[in-house]
Amino acid sequence: DAEITQSPRHKITETGRQVTLACHQTWNHNNMFWYRQDLGHGLRLIHYSYGVHDTNKGEVSDGYSVSRSNTEDLPLTLESAASSQTSVYFCASSGSEFSGTPRNEQFFGPGTRLTVL
Amino acid sequence: AQKITQTQPGMFVQEKEAVTLDCTYDTSDPSYGLFWYKQPSSGEMIFLIYQGSYDQQNATEGRYSLNFQKARKSANLVISASQLGDSAMYFCAMKAAGNKLTFGGGTRVLVKP
Repeated sequence: DAEITQSPRHKITETGRQVTLACHQTWNHNNMFWYRQDLGHGLRLIHYSYGVHDTNKGEVSDGYSVSRSNTEDLPLTLESAASSQTSVYFCASSGSEFSGTPRNEQFFGPGTRLTVL
Repeated sequence: AQKITQTQPGMFVQEKEAVTLDCTYDTSDPSYGLFWYKQPSSGEMIFLIYQGSYDQQNATEGRYSLNFQKARKSANLVISASQLGDSAMYFCAMKAAGNKLTFGGGTRVLVKP
């Protein structure tokens, strides 16, 4: 069965360190998204990609970067981790906007809980 | 810019009763979609139901139905015959161009036996 996985599931790091969160999907989806979830804010979009070598900034992109070298993976990098980036991070994927059903829902990974001390 | 508002931070519901979760939205796009996702305590995001802005009928998926009032810009989720397993966070989200989602702050539901 197709799936979307994230690793690690839990990570503790120190302020100033570079951290990379992995996201891998086997849906063969063109669209991939990274969100962060904080109490009271729901999920907020960090970065997204519509295909290989395409990346775009979302609502809360400062301090984060992504790269898309293949269809399956969209790693999220925190260049210099800050305590404000302590959060739960979700990766999601979906088909292209005009493919499949109008619904075209996003499928979410299990999340990565990141703590920055 | 899109905005989603969920005004109920938390609510209790008696097992076997129905519950309505409120969601209002704001957008200037004529074409959009509205989703509801469930997040149980285990943390995963589970798709529940979808309503397109041009859909003539309210969406239904099993015990879930969406009360879509376009003029009022509301897309309330109705869960009928609540079960203990319905205890979770529920998020309303709106799809914009490019399939990006904007989420509301969520409503926590606790089903009492």
